[in-house]
Amino acid sequence: QKEVEQDPGPLSVPEGAIVSLNCTYSNSAFQYFMWYRQYSRKGPELLMYTYSSGNKEDGRFTAQVDKSSKYISLFIRDSQPSDSATYLCAMSAVGNTGKLIFGQGTTLQVKP
Amino acid sequence: DARVTQTPRDKVTEMGQEVTMRCQPILGHNTVFWYRQTMKQGLELLAYFRNRAPLDDSGMPKDRFSAEMPDATLATLKIQPSEPRDSAVYFCASGQTTAGELFFGEGSRLTVL
Repeated sequence: QKEVEQDPGPLSVPEGAIVSLNCTYSNSAFQYFMWYRQYSRKGPELLMYTYSSGNKEDGRFTAQVDKSSKYISLFIRDSQPSDSATYLCAMSAVGNTGKLIFGQGTTLQVKP
Repeated sequence: DARVTQTPRDKVTEMGQEVTMRCQPILGHNTVFWYRQTMKQGLELLAYFRNRAPLDDSGMPKDRFSAEMPDATLATLKIQPSEPRDSAVYFCASGQTTAGELFFGEGSRLTVL
């Protein structure tokens, strides 16, 4: 079993929809939680970064961490065609900062 | 605009040949990572360095892969001999240990025939 599980999708939604992306993990030492976005033939780029539990909002994006359930989510409001990409969750443990373990990635397509 | 630079962007080679991929991390970053991405496995950590010292290379097939940082501006990943199963996109990423954020290069797409 992988340390981080993520449904690869693909996920297809109409423009303007609310998108929910999720990951589960097994390592209780993970304290740093990130979401990366990757466009085709490009490297991943950081989208959201949270430490420990709670919510974080940035524009149309909201990241949630529930450490008790070992579950993290990314919500995208008012989705746009430009949001079409692969979204990867990533996590690292305290003392191991920078060593990120990634989920498989979920491919999202937002249709106009 | 600081960025991680990787070469080559694309490489096609024959089985058994040596392949070397290079990475220039962002100036001032003290951690460098090599990841491999495939459709089946996603992003897998191969090796990483902190202050040029190798910290963890447990993700690399030791018999054929090697990773080095000859200086702070260059990281290399070498495969010798290459095999078809090594076909993947190899990413280099750099960061600062206090921040946790990694900055990725655009990747080296390797095809071994």
